Amino acid sequence: AQSVTQLDSHVSVSEGTPVLLRCNYSSSYSPSLFWYVQHPNKGLQLLLKYTSAATLVKGINGFEAEFKKSETSFHLTKPSAHMSDAAEYFCVVSDRYSNSGYALNFGKGTSLLVTP
Amino acid sequence: SAVISQKPSRDICQRGTSLTIQCQVDSQVTMMFWYRQQPGQSLTLIATANQGSEATYESGFVIDKFPISRPNLTFSTLTVSNMSPEDSSIYLCSVTGTSDTEAFFGQGTRLTVV
Repeated sequence: AQSVTQLDSHVSVSEGTPVLLRCNYSSSYSPSLFWYVQHPNKGLQLLLKYTSAATLVKGINGFEAEFKKSETSFHLTKPSAHMSDAAEYFCVVSDRYSNSGYALNFGKGTSLLVTP
Repeated sequence: SAVISQKPSRDICQRGTSLTIQCQVDSQVTMMFWYRQQPGQSLTLIATANQGSEATYESGFVIDKFPISRPNLTFSTLTVSNMSPEDSSIYLCSVTGTSDTEAFFGQGTRLTVV
């Protein structure tokens, strides 16, 4: 089975500074990778996804991630943090369950704190 | 894309009782997934529900504790049976496309067992 490791459980940045949330994956073949965000008491929202197309993936709200096969990494970045970015972020890899769907393996999550 | 409605959104239940969570999708999907998110934790897959067959459970989850129904291609239920405080979690329903691996999630059911 495929898995992901989020290297930081908590990240704190100042508003206006860059964000880096780190994720490494393990996979026996080309994976599909995702970043989801979960704001307090809200549902999960897809930020971006990599599915074997361009290695640099742009998502919503200014986030992007780069798939690096040689490093087995899929780190999430944003040039300038906003207060509204404070949330829990999950790196996710999909397992092909069958021809009819995909189950997801979630990382443990990284809590992003943005300070004024 | 898919829109998923889950009911109830939250509940407080007495230990020893059971709660059934409903998941309705606005389109027909072959597979539906149930996840659990314990307080402060990540999401863990409970089981996969395929219409017309028994659900497939992940390690650590059993049908007697989490029976699942999948009567048609747009609906599923998850029951949390004989609840204890350790079952207090958010339970989420999810579907994925076949040509697109993006997953869509319901808003979740926040369960508190007292």
